[in-house]
Amino acid sequence: SAVISQKPSRDICQRGTSLTIQCQVDSQVTMMFWYRQQPGQSLTLIATANQGSEATYESGFVIDKFPISRPNLTFSTLTVSNMSPEDSSIYLCSVRGRPNSYEQYFGPGTRLTVT
Amino acid sequence: GENVEQHPSTLSVQEGDSAVIKCTYSDSASNYFPWYKQELGKRPQLIIDIRSNVGEKKDQRIAVTLNKTAKHFSLHITETQPEDSAVYFCAATFGNEKLTFGTGTRLTIIP
Repeated sequence: SAVISQKPSRDICQRGTSLTIQCQVDSQVTMMFWYRQQPGQSLTLIATANQGSEATYESGFVIDKFPISRPNLTFSTLTVSNMSPEDSSIYLCSVRGRPNSYEQYFGPGTRLTVT
Repeated sequence: GENVEQHPSTLSVQEGDSAVIKCTYSDSASNYFPWYKQELGKRPQLIIDIRSNVGEKKDQRIAVTLNKTAKHFSLHITETQPEDSAVYFCAATFGNEKLTFGTGTRLTIIP
């Protein structure tokens, strides 16, 4: 499976500021996703990061709040903008590697606390 | 869209006994069903998956069964050990569509 890293691993931010989370994969992958996981909850898909084009957002998530970039097949960023305490959560990058392989793997996550 | 229900939400079993977690899905077109294990503070880890062209798959102490007619699939863990304690998530999807996750099962193995 691909090796996925995220930076930062955790951060404490003040409300009203923005944080950009980076996801790096050690090999080219076909699909990259961003998830949010609240404590004790399941995984909620924020968006699919599309290489070279705008991300595809799920209901309840908008580009102005969660801008996403994917400049190539190994890297993506998620920005959490104008943060409020409700944005405190774990943000996870996830990838699918090979074409015709449905296996999906997760990065280690970024624990965000907004004060 | 797809909807996945997972039961039970919590499960406690004696060490050495078996554990079974069940999921049902709504979209009959779904053809891929992975299971993830998430230990406290760690990332979800893919532990086993099954495609709709098979009814059962085993990997050592874990197995997954799929009933396409009833639209449900189950995770079976035999000879449970303390390190099996974790939250388990099922998921379903069709092809390269997005995964839809269940709500999770917190499994506790009692020594």
